[in-house]
Amino acid sequence: GPKVLQIPSHQIIDMGQMVTLNCDPVSNHLYFYWYKQILGQQMEFLVNFYNGKVMEKSKLFKDQFSVERPDGSYFTLKIQPTALEDSAVYFCASSLALGGDTQYFGPGTRLLVL
Amino acid sequence: AQSVTQPDARVTVSEGASLQLRCKYSYSATPYLFWYVQYPRQGLQLLLKYYSGDPVVQGVNSFEAEFSKSNSSFHLQKASVHWSDSAVYFCALSMRNNRIFFGDGTQLVVKP
Repeated sequence: GPKVLQIPSHQIIDMGQMVTLNCDPVSNHLYFYWYKQILGQQMEFLVNFYNGKVMEKSKLFKDQFSVERPDGSYFTLKIQPTALEDSAVYFCASSLALGGDTQYFGPGTRLLVL
Repeated sequence: AQSVTQPDARVTVSEGASLQLRCKYSYSATPYLFWYVQYPRQGLQLLLKYYSGDPVVQGVNSFEAEFSKSNSSFHLQKASVHWSDSAVYFCALSMRNNRIFFGDGTQLVVKP
């Protein structure tokens, strides 16, 4: 089936640094998502993005977070500055439409903030 | 508020046995319901989804799920499991804006 890629697979950084997580969504998809999963907890919605804009964000999407997809390239999640509680696995997803349309997920980026 | 509950954190079955993974949801309207599977170091893969129509939904790899509005449930079933079915299974619901709410996941262990 359609593949979503995420780069890098793992990232270790010091608290206070900036990190950018990259997602290569399915090529013809229009809607993009980030989810966060802290070890041992549920996967939780962070944000969805369409036509260059954030459509909806959860309370987990702190002011230090930002998303963009410049010129149809990677869909990125930037955290600046990072905090210890940002350590988690971040999953990217994409879909062609809304209304329950299937989201295709990447394998995740494991972020460890020291 | 919407939520998904998977009451079993881990289920162990013997190869060839039947399987049921339980899922209960809470939502005021009829949601879109999904089952995803996650193999180690891979992304979530969709097994099946339901919104309306026949409450029994067929998915990939002979999985099926049954929607019950009266019980607010969407249990996943398989008649005969294979060792390769060992993975983590997530039940999820979404609303029309496609924001997905996941359950905690059930780790399925298939013994040879």
